[in-house]
Amino acid sequence: QGQLVEFGGGVVQAGTSLRLSCATSGFTFSSYGMHWVRQTPGKGLECVAVIWYDGSNEYYAESVKGRFTISRDNYRNTLFLQMDRLREDDTAVYYCARMNDDFWGGWLDPWGQGTQVTVSS
Amino acid sequence: QSALTQPPSISGAPGQRITISCSGSSSNIGSGYGVRWFRLLPETAPKLLIYNQNNRPSGVPDRFSGSESGTSASLSISGLQAGDEGDYYCQSYDTTLHFWVFGGGTRLTVL
Repeated sequence: QGQLVEFGGGVVQAGTSLRLSCATSGFTFSSYGMHWVRQTPGKGLECVAVIWYDGSNEYYAESVKGRFTISRDNYRNTLFLQMDRLREDDTAVYYCARMNDDFWGGWLDPWGQGTQVTVSS
Repeated sequence: QSALTQPPSISGAPGQRITISCSGSSSNIGSGYGVRWFRLLPETAPKLLIYNQNNRPSGVPDRFSGSESGTSASLSISGLQAGDEGDYYCQSYDTTLHFWVFGGGTRLTVL
């Protein structure tokens, strides 16, 4: 089934940077597309960034385009999210999740337990 | 404004059957990419409940079922239990936004 564990959350000031990691195990990481999804109290769940199984294509929500970068290391079975120029509305719990079956219409499972990112002014 | 619209809340008594709706458009649910359903509980990883119309991952009881019709989808829970409380989200891919979208979420309360 697989396991995902996120690291790197914390409390930071607006305008600064943070790098999240998602360590995976129990499945062939290099065969799956991966998502970063965040949960905010006011807006619910929001897909933030998506990357192909080999890292050749990346997709971003309009709200983070130009500020966030998703990447992966298929040798270390790890997914990353580099977050630059952070804003207060980026405050959320960030989850990584594996995409199964079809890259566009597949399902997200499993998910990590999430890491809290708090951006203060 | 979410591309997928869900009622913000729903409630039901133990043993009752409830249905959560998810309204979309021809760009997402109606595009053929289908709908997935998830449940969120505090301090835990989101859990996949339904995928590919009405498929349940192992471990999800058959009290949970999904359906899709045109540009809408629904999640039904029968034999409601106190442990079913939580926030439920639908999700799809949007061909106009060229991105993955979630509904705004529905909070289920078991009375």
